[in-house]
Amino acid sequence: EVQVVESGGGLVQPGGSLRLSCVASGFTLSNYWMHWVRQAPGKGLLWVSRISSDGSDTSYADSVKGRFTISRDNAKNTLYLQMDSLRVEDTAVYYCSRVTTGQPMDVWGQGTTVTVSS
Amino acid sequence: EVLLTQSPDFQSVTPKEKVTITCRASQSIGSSLHWYQQKPDQSPKLLIKFASQSFSGVPSRFSGSGSGTDFTLTINSLEAEDAATYYCHQSRTLPWTFGQGTKVEVK
Repeated sequence: EVQVVESGGGLVQPGGSLRLSCVASGFTLSNYWMHWVRQAPGKGLLWVSRISSDGSDTSYADSVKGRFTISRDNAKNTLYLQMDSLRVEDTAVYYCSRVTTGQPMDVWGQGTTVTVSS
Repeated sequence: EVLLTQSPDFQSVTPKEKVTITCRASQSIGSSLHWYQQKPDQSPKLLIKFASQSFSGVPSRFSGSGSGTDFTLTINSLEAEDAATYYCHQSRTLPWTFGQGTKVEVK
């Protein structure tokens, strides 16, 4: 079965850090671009970041640029999101998703919840 | 940034009725517009890609149309299981953006 499973969410104080992971199974991660999308409680979807299949090309939403870092380890079939200098407004469910080049996000994980609060 | 505006925000519909959701882009995005369905406590699921192409496994009652700046998602003969929030999404330019969502309630 093709799937991605996120982990690493939790409760963190403002200014703190978390690293999210997304493990892929049922497909070869190195063949796909990967994205992170988040959803604040009761709100809509917000694109956060993307990374090319080989990790050489990354992009970020302005709201997280300079604080979040996307990376991947294709040998481990794992995508990461390092989140530093966290703010209350970063509180959300974070989803990872798969993209075939030129196609939309077609496989999404169940999400991992990040809560930033003092 | 491409702003996507959906209408309506909420729709309450009886089973077997037809549902129409529109999505307007702030600039032309060609056909790089996709539709997702999200049920409560679930992740989004791709329904329609590139404005009008049905994604694998999606029931035929879901269809999409449009190009440029104006797009439509149609659900023919609504079923109870279609209760969800629907999002349009553009992948033409970074940052990728989503509409604010349309919640469909089945009476």
